[in-house]
Amino acid sequence: EIVLTQSPATLSLSPGERATLSCGASQSVPSNYLAWYQQKPGLAPRLLIYDTSNRATGIPARFSGSGSGTDFTLTISRLEPEDFAVYYCQQYGSSPRTFGQGTKVEIK
Amino acid sequence: QVQLVQSGAEVKKPGASVKVSCKASGYTLADYYIHWVRQAPGQGLEWMGWINPNSGGTKSAPKFRDRVTMTRDRSINTAYMEITRLSPDDTAVYYCARGAAVEVTREMWSDPWGQGTLVTVST
Repeated sequence: EIVLTQSPATLSLSPGERATLSCGASQSVPSNYLAWYQQKPGLAPRLLIYDTSNRATGIPARFSGSGSGTDFTLTISRLEPEDFAVYYCQQYGSSPRTFGQGTKVEIK
Repeated sequence: QVQLVQSGAEVKKPGASVKVSCKASGYTLADYYIHWVRQAPGQGLEWMGWINPNSGGTKSAPKFRDRVTMTRDRSINTAYMEITRLSPDDTAVYYCARGAAVEVTREMWSDPWGQGTLVTVST
């Protein structure tokens, strides 16, 4: 199975700053079928990005995804207070689908 | 709007089974795959498998293959996931999430998700 490794585990930033989250895959993700989800405490994950770089419906333009093969990035251009949460990457190009272990974006 | 509503929290003893339901509204269950994902307390997300609600076909992650059964009742637009031989390690929030349309030949992401069902396994 494809193992996804997210870094850093925790990102301490202030509102207005830029956040860069990484997701590395143990082997190439077929068709770059990679998604990013945001999860807040007590809530279900919410889809942010699909197919590496496409924003889901209603997701603000400050969220962007990039990458290919084994290296993927989620960028939040300017952090808003509501963006402090845990972010997960998931590959769905190969079975079993797998998730990264998550990156927590916390307020500095 | 498209929504998945799951059944309520459960407390089970080791060795028992639990069946979680996931009711679709705003669309026809049979038209889209349903995925199941779990999250142990304070941990990350773990994909369990999917069901094609149209055909009833399923695929499970290897670690769940002998303990997890996914089914559906098309008449009430509801999918189910049952786990047998529960252990304390199965304590988690279980989510259902909508996947690709069944007629689509490519893999797709999961959206939206149900609100989650907490299953606690304890003596």
